[in-house]
Amino acid sequence: DVKVTQSSRYLVKRTGEKVFLECVQDMDHENMFWYRQDPGLGLRLIYFSYDVKMKEKGDIPEGYSVSREKKERFSLILESASTNQTSMYLCASSPGGEGNTIYFGEGSWLTVV
Amino acid sequence: DAKTTQPPSMDCAEGRAANLPCNHSTISGNEYVYWYRQIHSQGPQYIIHGLKNNETNEMASLIITEDRKSSTLILPHATLRDTAVYYCIVTNFGNEKLTFGTGTRLTIIP
Repeated sequence: DVKVTQSSRYLVKRTGEKVFLECVQDMDHENMFWYRQDPGLGLRLIYFSYDVKMKEKGDIPEGYSVSREKKERFSLILESASTNQTSMYLCASSPGGEGNTIYFGEGSWLTVV
Repeated sequence: DAKTTQPPSMDCAEGRAANLPCNHSTISGNEYVYWYRQIHSQGPQYIIHGLKNNETNEMASLIITEDRKSSTLILPHATLRDTAVYYCIVTNFGNEKLTFGTGTRLTIIP
């Protein structure tokens, strides 16, 4: 089974803190993604990566950055957390190519106070 | 990606087959139909996908109409653990910007 593991299920951080969300996949997938999910807004793509050290902005990259130093690991960084970044964050990976499947992690619930 | 339409909610008795419909009348030739589900507070779980032909795996069956404008996800013997929100997505994953929509909230009744 494909496994996408997110390091933290629940986090509470203070406004202005730097926050790291880590994600690891064990299937040698080329592509990795970070989404956030909010009630009524569905899933929104923050950043994605097609290869090591490569990154592409999604729909809502403002306030976030990412790092992919190794193929299996994709980190989401909130440079200075704000209350409007309170959300569920989802990491996903896929092998790439047409008709491929995206697999999601369990999600990280971040509350910024 | 093509837009999909799903009923907001459905109930199904435990042990019966759950049939979840999805309309995707604007689907294009290279787009696949994917189904995911999301149990409260967890990440979306992949169920099944198909292009033209019907598909079956250990979790479910996917029936796609000949004109590809609609599909049905079938859970053959629903259990209480199948209670979740089910999302139908039509995409070629060309840009990975998944649009999940609001899905169908399936409740399995004991």
